[in-house]
Amino acid sequence: DGGITQSPKYLFRKEGQNVTLSCEQNLNHDAMYWYRQDPGQGLRLIYYSQIVNDFQKGDIAEGYSVSREKKESFPLTVTSAQKNPTAFYLCASSINSPYNEQFFGPGTRLTVL
Amino acid sequence: KQEVTQIPAALSVPEGENLVLNCSFTDSAIYNLQWFRQDPGKGLTSLLLIQSSQREQTSGRLNASLDKSSGRSTLYIAASQPGDSATYLCAVNTNAGKSTFGDGTTLTVKP
Repeated sequence: DGGITQSPKYLFRKEGQNVTLSCEQNLNHDAMYWYRQDPGQGLRLIYYSQIVNDFQKGDIAEGYSVSREKKESFPLTVTSAQKNPTAFYLCASSINSPYNEQFFGPGTRLTVL
Repeated sequence: KQEVTQIPAALSVPEGENLVLNCSFTDSAIYNLQWFRQDPGKGLTSLLLIQSSQREQTSGRLNASLDKSSGRSTLYIAASQPGDSATYLCAVNTNAGKSTFGDGTTLTVKP
């Protein structure tokens, strides 16, 4: 089955720790995205990548980092510099840009203890 | 800066009713608009994508319309069912390659 997988589903982080969220897709899509969702709110773009080995900051990139070494994978690292990381994180992909339909993974809920 | 607003924030209707969800945006220079459904604690499911050159798109009981000049889109749901209960989000995509999401409308369909 084609789709987007995210792991883990739930993640707990102690203050001062870096954590990495996984996102993998087998849709052969060039573009991938990371969004953050807070309760009762829409999605805010953290980072996006339109091609391997290239990525751009979104609206709220501070305290986050990404890599795009493979077309299928776009991991997100939440660093200790992110002061309020507790949120629901969603990964998405599209054929080559938001000009095309975006498809989403099931999400990772991150909680800071 | 693009701003997307969805009103109302919550809507409760009896089963079988036809309903309309609204999405408005401030910058009419959009490339397309996408409607999503989100169940609690889950990811987003794409419902309809409507290009800037289109006036409407239909899928089953769903119909999305787009009026770029007035900065509005509507999602019409016919003959609502309890299984339609979810949060519905719209996302506006600009030529800059970014998506701006509304905060969503939470729909409850009562049996």
